[in-house]
Amino acid sequence: NAGVTQTPKFQVLKTGQSMTLQCAQDMNHEYMSWYRQDPGMGLRLIHYSVGAGITDQGEVPNGYNVSRSTTEDFPLRLLSAAPSQTSVYFCASSARDSLSTDTQYFGPGTRLTVL
Amino acid sequence: AQKITQTQPGMFVQEKEAVTLDCTYDTSDPSYGLFWYKQPSSGEMIFLIYQGSYDQQNATEGRYSLNFQKARKSANLVISASQLGDSAMYFCAMRDRAVGDSSYKLIFGSGTRLLVRP
Repeated sequence: NAGVTQTPKFQVLKTGQSMTLQCAQDMNHEYMSWYRQDPGMGLRLIHYSVGAGITDQGEVPNGYNVSRSTTEDFPLRLLSAAPSQTSVYFCASSARDSLSTDTQYFGPGTRLTVL
Repeated sequence: AQKITQTQPGMFVQEKEAVTLDCTYDTSDPSYGLFWYKQPSSGEMIFLIYQGSYDQQNATEGRYSLNFQKARKSANLVISASQLGDSAMYFCAMRDRAVGDSSYKLIFGSGTRLLVRP
């Protein structure tokens, strides 16, 4: 049971480069989300999805795009990386978009550095 | 606006003693859920405990309990009999649906770093 997987674990980019952070879950969860965690801060919501084909913005969406073509995958795209996007990125999933006790399952994180 | 506040950047506790980590929240939605997560130095996020806004009793999970005071909008985490392995960052989070939103969002506080002394 893989749970939530993220690739890559580490990435270094130059300013202006683009890349995609991959996230996949094998639990048939409807709800998936992306967070960033900056040093000394909590997680901030970037984008989320309540099901295939449906995405919406979180607290800090600027500079990031997402899509949800399948239930399993929720990639995060940086179109033109900036040093301010240096952070640890977490993907999470939960069964439903609800207030149930379904927990959010987090991936192991991707540490991104933009030079 | 949704907001989670953790006012203790760092806490110390002696091994085997109890410790309370503070969390206050603000929401206009009468239906919400409160979560606590642990993040050890390895970086993963570990779910600890959940409290629903309509739950009559405080949630408990082993050595973790949530002191839920709805009128004061506080949801403090109590860890009893602290262990060295409890040293970590602890995050309070709230899931609710803001006015105008069609979906729920999980919002995190800034965290409290707990260090357990032997």
